[in-house]
Amino acid sequence: QKEVEQDPGPLSVPEGAIVSLNCTYSNSAFQYFMWYRQYSRKGPELLMYTYSSGNKEDGRFTAQVDKSSKYISLFIRDSQPSDSATYLCAMSVRTSYDKVIFGPGTSLSVIP
Amino acid sequence: DTGVSQDPRHKITKRGQNVTFRCDPISEHNRLYWYRQTLGQGPEFLTYFQNEAQLEKSRLLSDRFSAERPKGSFSTLEIQRTEQGDSAMYLCASSPLTSGVYNEQFFGPGTRLTVL
Repeated sequence: QKEVEQDPGPLSVPEGAIVSLNCTYSNSAFQYFMWYRQYSRKGPELLMYTYSSGNKEDGRFTAQVDKSSKYISLFIRDSQPSDSATYLCAMSVRTSYDKVIFGPGTSLSVIP
Repeated sequence: DTGVSQDPRHKITKRGQNVTFRCDPISEHNRLYWYRQTLGQGPEFLTYFQNEAQLEKSRLLSDRFSAERPKGSFSTLEIQRTEQGDSAMYLCASSPLTSGVYNEQFFGPGTRLTVL
C-alpha cells in the first residue's frame, strides 16, 4: 500500500461546477497536509496547507483534513478553465526537515 | 525572475552517458530538495540539503546518483551511466528555514531527462 493514495482521474467538469478532490493516507504521523497545483510542463506550486485537522478556506478553495479517517479533501467552487491542471495532495511529518510525500495527482479539466 | 531556476530544461542522452543538472534556488533559502517525477505520478523525494550539508538521501538514489551543493547556493545532480529507467522530470525545490512556521517549498520548472 502506498503512503498516499489519490484517484488519478481524469476528471472533467463544466465551468462553474464544484470540484471535489480527495486523498487517503496511511501514516498517522503526518501533520502537515498540502495541495499543490501543477500545470503541464511546470513545477508544482503550493495552493494551500493545513496543520493537523480542520478546514481552511482561501478564496474559491477549501481544504479539509480528517485525521481520524486519514482523509483529506480539496473543494474548488465556481471552477474556471484556468483551474485545469493536475492537483497533487502532499503530506509531511513535522521533523527537523520537511520531506514531502506526494500523491500521484488528479488531472482536472474544466470545460468552458 | 527570483524563483527557482533549473538548467537545462530538457536533456536527451544515450544510455550509459553521464548527465549533470543544475538548480539555482531562491536567494537566501537554506534548504534545497531534489525530487523525481515520472509520468502520472507525484514527485518522489531524492535528497535534501541544508546549506551545503546533504542531510538525507532516499533509497531511490542509487550510487549512480550524486548531488552537491558546494557553497550552500546552487546545487548539481549528476547521474552516471544513465539507464532508460532514469527517464523522468527532475525537480528542484527550495525553502527558507524559519522556526515556528510552515516553510513552503518553492519548485523550479524541472529538467526533463530522456534516456534513449
